[in-house]
Amino acid sequence: EAQVTQNPRYLITVTGKKLTVTCSQNMNHEYMSWYRQDPGLGLRQIYYSMNVEVTDKGDVPEGYKVSRKEKRNFPLILESPSPNQTSLYFCASSLRGQGDGYTFGSGTRLTVV
Amino acid sequence: GQQVMQIPQYQHVQEGEDFTTYCNSSTTLSNIQWYKQRPGGHPVFLIQLVKSGEVKKQKRLTFQFGEAKKNSSLHITATQTTDVGTYFCAGRPLTQGGKLIFGQGTELSVKP
Repeated sequence: EAQVTQNPRYLITVTGKKLTVTCSQNMNHEYMSWYRQDPGLGLRQIYYSMNVEVTDKGDVPEGYKVSRKEKRNFPLILESPSPNQTSLYFCASSLRGQGDGYTFGSGTRLTVV
Repeated sequence: GQQVMQIPQYQHVQEGEDFTTYCNSSTTLSNIQWYKQRPGGHPVFLIQLVKSGEVKKQKRLTFQFGEAKKNSSLHITATQTTDVGTYFCAGRPLTQGGKLIFGQGTELSVKP
């Protein structure tokens, strides 16, 4: 089944403890992106990648890192999480990025205490 | 920065009534997409509009892209309880093809 898989689905962590949210797609998509969703703010883009080893900042990149060493994987790294990074995170992918709809993962609900 | 504004934020309708959500961008868009997110779920791609003035239909849903490619709308005719969810527009700025900027979404509730 064609899908975007995120792990974990839920995570509670403490301030300052490094964490990684994994994202993997099995559709050979070139484009991948991370969004965070907060009430009243919609989905805000954190980082995106147009292909392997090509990444760029979205609208809210501060406090996050990404890497794209393989086409299928696009992990989101929080080196030193803070409470304002408590949010619902979505990974998404599309075939080429410019002319295609996104396929979203099921989301990761992160709480930083 | 570039923004995509969507109104209304909430809409409560009686089953059978029509529903419309509007999307406005601060910059010209190369295309606009629409997504639906059911409560507790993830956004699901509905459609993409590319041409100025384009109108597309999917059963009871009608999507429009403005002539200036800066605004869009989604209209649902005769809502059903299965239409419940949040509808997002997402615009791709003409000068930044890598970005897809989402509106804040319109949450639709339908009373049977």
